[in-house]
Formats: sequence, structure tokens, C-alpha cells
Amino acid sequence: DTAVSQTPKYLVTQMGNDKSIKCEQNLGHDTMYWYKQDSKKFLKIMFSYNNKELIINETVPNRFSPKSPDKAHLNLHINSLELGDSAVYFCASCPGLGAIGANVLTFGAGSRLTVL
Amino acid sequence: AQTVTQSQPEMSVQEAETVTLSCTYDTSESDYYLFWYKQPPSRQMILVIRQEAYKQQNATENRFSVNFQKAAKSFSLKISDSQLGDAAMYFCAANNFGNEKLTFGTGTRLTIIP
Repeated sequence: DTAVSQTPKYLVTQMGNDKSIKCEQNLGHDTMYWYKQDSKKFLKIMFSYNNKELIINETVPNRFSPKSPDKAHLNLHINSLELGDSAVYFCASCPGLGAIGANVLTFGAGSRLTVL
Repeated sequence: AQTVTQSQPEMSVQEAETVTLSCTYDTSESDYYLFWYKQPPSRQMILVIRQEAYKQQNATENRFSVNFQKAAKSFSLKISDSQLGDAAMYFCAANNFGNEKLTFGTGTRLTIIP
């Protein structure tokens, strides 16, 4: 069973399109994240949700909108895609404050987005 | 704010030898956690080892161990008996107790020479 699963794994699309990436975790964790890894492999946090509530929102364009329908799911919708959005997007989860292993993140396999 | 610095973009080691990857960090917090993650060509981020800052004893996981120097804010990773499967990008990361935002370094690409 995959602990943190993301779909799709690969996404190729044209500039200006809207696309979504889905993430689900079956670990029972309270907190979920989106990270972006650019072409130089640098990993930067975008968003974090705790039990469906947004707790971290880094400086990310409004075109990016996360949505957490329940604590096991965190989706990322991107409007009006630009060339610079090409990257690998990682979903991650962690148990949450007060839990054993609270600060340890488990990552999904990543979704490679290519904008042409 | 927290920063994590990895000054070695690339390292290489002969198979079966030992290699040390460097990491320094900066934080104003007294309680924090430090991590090494591995990213092989498969792209998956895999936790290698973690260290709680309040623990003086260096963490060890099989062939992987850390040298945690709290005063110097240094957290290096030692890989013993290097294997071909150790070839990957290695990321040092940190987060503060009570704040699960994980800050990453820029990574070190490790090559294993057969």
C-alpha cells in the first residue's frame, strides 16, 4: 500500500491551461504539504494543511489553489499555467503536533509538470 | 527564519569506502529537528536519518550516521561501506519543534564509483 500517493505522476500541458494534481495519504496523518522542486533540485514549501485547515501559505501566486476536502486528501489546482511552473510537485504528510514522529514528513513520489 | 546550507554540490566515493556530506544550519530556536533525505533517480524522497537537537548522542541507522555539533550548527552525514544503491541526491533539512515546516538545503549529488 502506497502511504502517500499522487496523481498524475507526469503531466504535460500547454501554457494557459488549468490543471490539478491530487494527493492522498493513508497514514492517518493530520498534516499535509505541497512542495515544489525546481530544475536545480531546490525544494521549497508551498502550502501546508492541518486537519483541512490552511496553516502555511508561502509566497505562491494566486494561480495556485490548494484544497483539502478531508485530512487524507490535499489537491493542488493551478490556473493559467506558465512556463515557470514546470517542476516536480511533491505532496507530503506528517503525524502532526504531539504525535509520535510529529516532525517526520513522508513524501509522495512526485508529479512532474511540464508546461510547453 | 531557518536556513540550511549544503556547500558540496557534488561528491563521489569509491564503492565500499566512507564518505561524509556536510550541512550547516541556522535557527534561533532551541528545540528543532534535523534530517537527511535521499532522492535517488526514481525521484522518491526517502528519510535516511533524523536527529532531535536536544539529544547529545549522534543518530545512527545501519551504515548511516551523523556528526551533530550543536554549538557549531553542523550536521554532517557519514555513509560507511558505500554501495552502488547509495547514489542519489542527499538533502539536509531542518524544522523547529512545534512547527512542521521543513526547510531544505540545496542538496549534494553523491556518485558511487565501482
